[in-house]
Amino acid sequence: DAKTTQPTSMDCAEGRAANLPCNHSTISGNEYVYWYRQIHSQGPQYIIHGLKNNETNEMASLIITEDRKSSTLILPHATLRDTAVYYCIVNNAGNMLTFGGGTRLMVKP
Amino acid sequence: NAGVMQNPRHLVRRRGQEARLRCSPMKGHSHVYWYRQLPEEGLKFMVYLQKENIIDESGMPKERFSAEFPKEGPSILRIQQVVRGDSAAYFCASSPFGQGSSNEQFFGPGTRLTVL
Repeated sequence: DAKTTQPTSMDCAEGRAANLPCNHSTISGNEYVYWYRQIHSQGPQYIIHGLKNNETNEMASLIITEDRKSSTLILPHATLRDTAVYYCIVNNAGNMLTFGGGTRLMVKP
Repeated sequence: NAGVMQNPRHLVRRRGQEARLRCSPMKGHSHVYWYRQLPEEGLKFMVYLQKENIIDESGMPKERFSAEFPKEGPSILRIQQVVRGDSAAYFCASSPFGQGSSNEQFFGPGTRLTVL
Protein backbone atom coordinates (compact mmCIF):
# COMPACT_ATOMS: atom_id res chain seq x y z
CA ASP A 1 0.00 0.00 0.00
CA ALA A 2 1.13 3.53 -0.72
CA LYS A 3 2.51 5.68 2.08
CA THR A 4 0.65 8.77 3.32
CA THR A 5 1.93 11.99 4.87
CA GLN A 6 -0.20 14.03 7.27
CA PRO A 7 0.53 16.98 9.56
CA THR A 8 1.13 15.85 13.12
CA SER A 9 -1.44 18.16 14.65
CA MET A 10 -3.97 20.85 13.81
CA ASP A 11 -6.27 23.16 15.70
CA CYS A 12 -9.74 24.23 14.65
CA ALA A 13 -12.27 26.60 16.20
CA GLU A 14 -15.59 25.08 17.17
CA GLY A 15 -18.21 25.66 14.47
CA ARG A 16 -15.63 26.22 11.76
CA ALA A 17 -14.72 23.84 8.98
CA ALA A 18 -11.78 21.56 9.68
CA ASN A 19 -9.70 20.80 6.58
CA LEU A 20 -7.29 17.92 7.06
CA PRO A 21 -4.76 17.38 4.26
CA CYS A 22 -3.10 14.14 3.22
CA ASN A 23 -0.38 13.48 0.66
CA HIS A 24 -0.24 10.11 -1.09
CA SER A 25 1.96 10.78 -4.09
CA THR A 26 2.74 7.09 -4.73
CA ILE A 27 -0.88 5.95 -4.86
CA SER A 28 -1.61 3.43 -7.58
CA GLY A 29 -4.65 3.25 -9.80
CA ASN A 30 -6.58 0.64 -7.83
CA GLU A 31 -5.97 2.05 -4.37
CA TYR A 32 -8.68 3.82 -2.42
CA VAL A 33 -8.24 6.69 0.04
CA TYR A 34 -9.83 5.93 3.41
CA TRP A 35 -10.24 8.18 6.42
CA TYR A 36 -10.70 6.91 9.95
CA ARG A 37 -10.55 8.64 13.29
CA GLN A 38 -9.81 7.49 16.82
CA ILE A 39 -11.33 9.42 19.66
CA HIS A 40 -9.23 9.06 22.80
CA SER A 41 -8.71 5.32 23.28
CA GLN A 42 -11.83 4.12 21.50
CA GLY A 43 -11.86 1.86 18.48
CA PRO A 44 -11.19 3.60 15.17
CA GLN A 45 -14.26 4.94 13.44
CA TYR A 46 -14.70 4.85 9.68
CA ILE A 47 -15.44 8.27 8.19
CA ILE A 48 -15.35 8.13 4.41
CA HIS A 49 -13.48 6.71 1.44
CA GLY A 50 -13.09 7.39 -2.26
CA LEU A 51 -11.28 6.33 -5.40
CA LYS A 52 -11.12 9.39 -7.63
CA ASN A 53 -14.36 11.30 -7.33
CA ASN A 54 -15.15 13.62 -4.45
CA GLU A 55 -17.38 12.01 -1.84
CA THR A 56 -19.74 13.34 0.80
CA ASN A 57 -21.66 11.67 3.59
CA GLU A 58 -23.31 12.76 6.81
CA MET A 59 -19.99 13.06 8.60
CA ALA A 60 -17.60 14.65 6.13
CA SER A 61 -16.54 15.42 2.59
CA LEU A 62 -13.52 13.99 0.82
CA ILE A 63 -11.85 15.99 -1.90
CA ILE A 64 -9.34 14.07 -4.04
CA THR A 65 -7.12 15.97 -6.46
CA GLU A 66 -7.33 15.10 -10.12
CA ASP A 67 -3.90 13.44 -10.11
CA ARG A 68 -4.93 11.57 -6.92
CA LYS A 69 -1.67 12.48 -5.21
CA SER A 70 -3.37 14.25 -2.35
CA SER A 71 -6.73 14.61 -0.65
CA THR A 72 -8.48 16.70 1.97
CA LEU A 73 -10.99 15.60 4.56
CA ILE A 74 -13.46 18.33 5.42
CA LEU A 75 -15.53 18.39 8.60
CA PRO A 76 -17.95 21.20 7.72
CA HIS A 77 -18.84 22.36 11.24
CA ALA A 78 -16.38 20.98 13.76
CA THR A 79 -17.59 20.33 17.30
CA LEU A 80 -15.65 19.54 20.46
CA ARG A 81 -16.56 15.89 19.96
CA ASP A 82 -14.59 15.86 16.72
CA THR A 83 -11.34 16.15 18.70
CA ALA A 84 -9.51 12.98 17.69
CA VAL A 85 -6.62 11.52 15.74
CA TYR A 86 -7.50 11.35 12.05
CA TYR A 87 -5.88 8.72 9.86
CA CYS A 88 -5.58 8.90 6.08
CA ILE A 89 -5.00 5.43 4.67
CA VAL A 90 -4.38 4.32 1.13
CA ASN A 91 -5.56 0.79 0.69
CA ASN A 92 -5.88 -1.82 -1.97
CA ALA A 93 -9.51 -2.49 -1.22
CA GLY A 94 -10.28 -5.25 1.22
CA ASN A 95 -6.77 -5.69 2.58
CA MET A 96 -5.59 -4.82 6.04
CA LEU A 97 -5.33 -1.16 6.97
CA THR A 98 -1.91 0.39 7.56
CA PHE A 99 -2.20 3.15 10.14
CA GLY A 100 0.40 5.90 10.21
CA GLY A 101 0.76 8.59 12.83
CA GLY A 102 -2.32 10.50 11.75
CA THR A 103 -3.25 14.12 12.50
CA ARG A 104 -4.22 15.03 16.03
CA LEU A 105 -7.11 17.49 15.57
CA MET A 106 -7.94 19.67 18.53
CA VAL A 107 -11.25 21.51 18.29
CA LYS A 108 -11.24 24.51 20.60
CA PRO A 109 -14.21 26.48 21.94
CA ASN B 1 -27.88 -3.67 14.00
CA ALA B 2 -25.38 -4.20 16.78
CA GLY B 3 -21.82 -3.16 16.08
CA VAL B 4 -18.67 -5.21 16.50
CA MET B 5 -18.52 -6.61 20.00
CA GLN B 6 -15.40 -7.48 21.90
CA ASN B 7 -15.01 -9.08 25.27
CA PRO B 8 -13.71 -8.76 27.75
CA ARG B 9 -13.16 -5.01 27.59
CA HIS B 10 -10.39 -5.25 30.16
CA LEU B 11 -8.26 -8.27 30.92
CA VAL B 12 -5.54 -8.62 33.53
CA ARG B 13 -3.14 -11.54 33.37
CA ARG B 14 0.03 -12.50 35.17
CA ARG B 15 3.14 -13.36 33.21
CA GLY B 16 2.95 -16.89 31.85
CA GLN B 17 -0.85 -17.10 31.79
CA GLU B 18 -3.00 -17.34 28.70
CA ALA B 19 -5.19 -14.55 27.33
CA ARG B 20 -8.25 -15.18 25.17
CA LEU B 21 -9.85 -12.24 23.40
CA ARG B 22 -13.19 -12.60 21.66
CA CYS B 23 -14.67 -10.70 18.77
CA SER B 24 -18.20 -10.96 17.40
CA PRO B 25 -18.42 -9.26 14.00
CA MET B 26 -21.37 -7.24 12.81
CA LYS B 27 -24.29 -9.28 11.57
CA GLY B 28 -23.69 -10.41 8.01
CA HIS B 29 -19.95 -9.77 8.14
CA SER B 30 -17.74 -12.76 7.45
CA HIS B 31 -14.36 -11.00 7.40
CA VAL B 32 -12.51 -10.23 10.62
CA TYR B 33 -9.29 -8.29 11.21
CA TRP B 34 -7.27 -8.02 14.42
CA TYR B 35 -5.07 -5.01 15.22
CA ARG B 36 -2.86 -4.21 18.18
CA GLN B 37 -2.12 -0.78 19.63
CA LEU B 38 0.79 -0.59 22.01
CA PRO B 39 0.79 2.30 24.50
CA GLU B 40 1.39 5.64 22.76
CA GLU B 41 1.73 3.95 19.36
CA GLY B 42 -0.41 3.50 16.25
CA LEU B 43 -2.49 0.49 15.36
CA LYS B 44 -0.68 -2.41 13.73
CA PHE B 45 -2.36 -5.11 11.70
CA MET B 46 -2.05 -8.63 13.06
CA VAL B 47 -4.27 -11.07 11.19
CA TYR B 48 -7.14 -11.26 8.70
CA LEU B 49 -9.59 -14.15 8.84
CA GLN B 50 -12.60 -15.30 6.96
CA LYS B 51 -14.91 -17.97 8.31
CA GLU B 52 -12.73 -21.00 9.13
CA ASN B 53 -9.76 -19.60 7.20
CA ILE B 54 -6.74 -17.45 7.96
CA ILE B 55 -6.24 -15.23 4.93
CA ASP B 56 -3.28 -13.11 6.05
CA GLU B 57 -1.31 -13.51 9.26
CA SER B 58 1.69 -11.45 8.22
CA GLY B 59 1.39 -9.22 11.29
CA MET B 60 1.19 -11.97 13.87
CA PRO B 61 4.18 -12.64 16.12
CA LYS B 62 5.68 -16.00 15.20
CA GLU B 63 5.26 -17.52 18.64
CA ARG B 64 2.57 -17.59 21.33
CA PHE B 65 -0.10 -15.85 19.23
CA SER B 66 -2.87 -17.61 17.32
CA ALA B 67 -6.25 -16.67 15.91
CA GLU B 68 -9.30 -18.49 14.69
CA PHE B 69 -12.73 -17.68 13.31
CA PRO B 70 -14.85 -20.82 13.48
CA LYS B 71 -17.95 -21.52 11.46
CA GLU B 72 -20.05 -20.81 14.53
CA GLY B 73 -19.18 -18.36 17.26
CA PRO B 74 -16.83 -15.43 17.68
CA SER B 75 -13.31 -14.97 16.44
CA ILE B 76 -10.71 -15.70 19.11
CA LEU B 77 -7.26 -14.17 19.50
CA ARG B 78 -5.23 -16.33 21.83
CA ILE B 79 -1.97 -15.32 23.50
CA GLN B 80 -0.12 -18.04 25.34
CA GLN B 81 2.40 -17.43 28.11
CA VAL B 82 1.84 -13.68 28.13
CA VAL B 83 4.71 -11.30 28.81
CA ARG B 84 4.63 -7.65 29.91
CA GLY B 85 5.27 -6.54 26.33
CA ASP B 86 1.90 -7.99 25.31
CA SER B 87 0.15 -5.27 27.32
CA ALA B 88 -1.80 -3.33 24.72
CA ALA B 89 -5.22 -2.56 23.31
CA TYR B 90 -6.40 -5.21 20.87
CA PHE B 91 -8.99 -4.13 18.33
CA CYS B 92 -11.10 -6.28 16.11
CA ALA B 93 -12.74 -5.04 12.92
CA SER B 94 -15.19 -6.67 10.55
CA SER B 95 -16.31 -6.08 7.00
CA PRO B 96 -18.96 -7.62 4.78
CA PHE B 97 -16.61 -8.21 1.88
CA GLY B 98 -12.99 -9.11 1.53
CA GLN B 99 -10.21 -8.51 -0.90
CA GLY B 100 -11.06 -6.95 -4.19
CA SER B 101 -13.96 -4.97 -2.87
CA SER B 102 -14.26 -1.39 -1.77
CA ASN B 103 -15.49 -1.63 1.77
CA GLU B 104 -14.91 -0.09 5.12
CA GLN B 105 -13.93 -1.94 8.27
CA PHE B 106 -15.99 -1.46 11.40
CA PHE B 107 -14.06 -1.57 14.64
CA GLY B 108 -15.03 -2.83 18.04
CA PRO B 109 -14.29 -1.02 21.31
CA GLY B 110 -11.16 -3.07 21.94
CA THR B 111 -9.83 -5.25 24.73
CA ARG B 112 -7.24 -3.71 26.98
CA LEU B 113 -4.81 -6.36 28.13
CA THR B 114 -2.61 -5.69 31.11
CA VAL B 115 0.10 -8.16 31.99
CA LEU B 116 1.38 -7.93 35.55
